[in-house]
Amino acid sequence: AQSVAQPEDQVNVAEGNPLTVKCTYSVSGNPYLFWYVQYPNRGLQFLLKYITGDNLVKGSYGFEAEFNKSQTSFHLKKPSALVSDSALYFCAVRRNQAGTALIFGKGTTLSVSS
Amino acid sequence: NAGVMQNPRHLVRRRGQEARLRCSPMKGHSHVYWYRQLPEEGLKFMVYLQKENIIDESGMPKERFSAEFPKEGPSILRIQQVVRGDSAAYFCASSPGTGAGEQYFGPGTRLTVT
Repeated sequence: AQSVAQPEDQVNVAEGNPLTVKCTYSVSGNPYLFWYVQYPNRGLQFLLKYITGDNLVKGSYGFEAEFNKSQTSFHLKKPSALVSDSALYFCAVRRNQAGTALIFGKGTTLSVSS
Repeated sequence: NAGVMQNPRHLVRRRGQEARLRCSPMKGHSHVYWYRQLPEEGLKFMVYLQKENIIDESGMPKERFSAEFPKEGPSILRIQQVVRGDSAAYFCASSPGTGAGEQYFGPGTRLTVT
């Protein structure tokens, strides 16, 4: 069965410091991996995805994620956090199959202090 | 290009009433997904539809819930005889079709059952 784990409910960082939001997955076959961000009372916004190729994926707003097949991880990173990055972040996986649903982690709340 | 549209944004129903949630996918998108977000939980897949067809309803409760995506008009998620446990945010997402593309989410409908 497919699953996604986000081991941290909350991550706190100071503005200007690097941030990492962790994600591990379990899926049969090659995964499609995604990161989304949700601001209060809003829908999810797509940040980035890994399909194939380079293990380091760059996305919106300066975020990037590193795919590690041996550790089945897809951690979200940013070199320098902004207060405006404070939000709820979701990792999701989809089987390598067109049209199948996304399986989401429970989400990690990122809080960036000034 | 307008994004995914959902209405109403907020819906209050008394126990036993019916709730109808509407979703208009992005222009050019023919695949629609419905997800439910319960408090303190991530998003859970409910149903995947293409025009006039239900492709995957494995996440849909067996009773009281139904979904459609007619040839003309928005996709509808219908909940009959609502109960308090149905209170949640319901999100619709769309994608253009097959392939590795991400899903684009609407702002959600927040259903409150009193």
